Amino acid sequence: DGGITQSPKYLFRKEGQNVTLSCEQNLNHDAMYWYRQDPGQGLRLIYYSQIVNDFQKGDIAEGYSVSREKKESFPLTVTSAQKNPTAFYLCASTRGRARPSTEAFFGQGTRLTVV
Amino acid sequence: AQSVTQPDIHITVSEGASLELRCNYSYGATPYLFWYVQSPGQGLQLLLKYFSGDTLVQGIKGFEAEFKRSQSSFNLRKPSVHWSDAAEYFCAVGGSFNKFYFGSGTKLNVKP
Repeated sequence: DGGITQSPKYLFRKEGQNVTLSCEQNLNHDAMYWYRQDPGQGLRLIYYSQIVNDFQKGDIAEGYSVSREKKESFPLTVTSAQKNPTAFYLCASTRGRARPSTEAFFGQGTRLTVV
Repeated sequence: AQSVTQPDIHITVSEGASLELRCNYSYGATPYLFWYVQSPGQGLQLLLKYFSGDTLVQGIKGFEAEFKRSQSSFNLRKPSVHWSDAAEYFCAVGGSFNKFYFGSGTKLNVKP
């Protein structure tokens, strides 16, 4: 079945460490997104990519980095510069690159905890 | 700027009762509107979407939503709630480059 796979499901990071969250999709979607979810704040966009080798900052990109070397993959690195990284991270993809907007498909999320 | 407001943080309804979750949006052009549902620790699943045409849209699991341009609202409804509907519900508006703007969510609790 087609879908989005995020790994790991749970991740623990020591302060000062960089960690990378994996996101892979086999939907042949062009666009991919990373959202951060905190209680009571909904989803906030970190980065998005409309095409391979290109990506743009979202609303809360500071302390994060991404790459898009393959259409299927959009890993997110949480760097030590991110002051409050404990959150639930969701990866999503959409079929098109421009409007009209289509629905987003989401992975199951990665819960990152700083210890 | 695009934004979505879900004024109710928590809602509790009895099983079998009707449900309405409120959503108000701010968007300059014709909005693309979505409702998603999230079970604890899971990703989001699309319930329904509105692009144009009939302002009452039907979704999965017996949900429906009505688009009211004059009120900038897209409220989600269900005639009879089941215990399995307990989850968090997110309203979203689609923007340029398929970016989405989400509300802060409404947590639904269902009483037996």
